[in-house]
Amino acid sequence: GQNIDQPTEMTATEGAIVQINCTYQTSGFNGLFWYQQHAGEAPTFLSYNVLDGLEEKGRFSSFLSRSKGYSYLLLKELQMKDSASYLCAVTDSNYQLIWGAGTKLIIKP
Amino acid sequence: DAMVIQNPRYQVTQFGKPVTLSCSQTLNHNVMYWYQQKSSQAPKLLFHYYDKDFNNEADTPDNFQSRRPNTSFCFLDIRSPGLGDAAMYLCATSTSRAQGPDTQYFGPGTRLTVL
Repeated sequence: GQNIDQPTEMTATEGAIVQINCTYQTSGFNGLFWYQQHAGEAPTFLSYNVLDGLEEKGRFSSFLSRSKGYSYLLLKELQMKDSASYLCAVTDSNYQLIWGAGTKLIIKP
Repeated sequence: DAMVIQNPRYQVTQFGKPVTLSCSQTLNHNVMYWYQQKSSQAPKLLFHYYDKDFNNEADTPDNFQSRRPNTSFCFLDIRSPGLGDAAMYLCATSTSRAQGPDTQYFGPGTRLTVL
C-alpha cells in the first residue's frame, strides 16, 4: 500500500530551528509537496521537490532524497505564527496526491 | 486576486437533510477537487474533475455527489448527511500539465456540522 509517515507533533522555541521529517512509500514518484495548515483553515502551498537536494525559500527549506524515500522541511528563525500543521504529500505514478496526516508544530516563547 | 472561494464557511445541517456546498475559482484551472478532512487527519480525496471529466474515488460513499456546470464552479451534494460526515470540506484547483497535475490551491474550506 501507499504510505506517508510524519511525526504527529513537535515542539520548538521561538527563534530556533526545527526539522520536520517525512518518509514515503508510494507506487512511483512524481514529486513531493509540503503544505502549511493553520487550525481551522485550508492548506497553503509551501514547497515542491521533484529532484534530489535542497530547495530554499526564505526561512523555509525543503530537502528530498528519492533513493531513501525521505524529505524534510526545515524552518529557521521560528515565529509564533509558524504554529500550524505541516503536511507532506507525494504524487504517485498515476499523478494521484497521497497525503500524510500532518505534523502539528507548537512554538513556545 | 485570483482565488478559490468556498461558500458557506460554516454549514449546519440536520441528520438526513440534504446539503450543498459550493466552490468557485478565478484561477481558470481545469482541474477541481473535493476533499474531506477530519480533525488531525490527512485530507481524503472524494472526487476530482479534469475539465468535465468526473473521477470518483473508489471508496467515496454514494451519499456524496458532485456537479461541475462550468470551469469556474463545482458543487458537493451530500444527499443524506450522517453524524460521521461532520468534517471540513476542502475544494482545490490545479492546472494539468502533459506530465500530470500541478500544485493544488485550496479554498478556505467549509466546516460542516451535522446535528
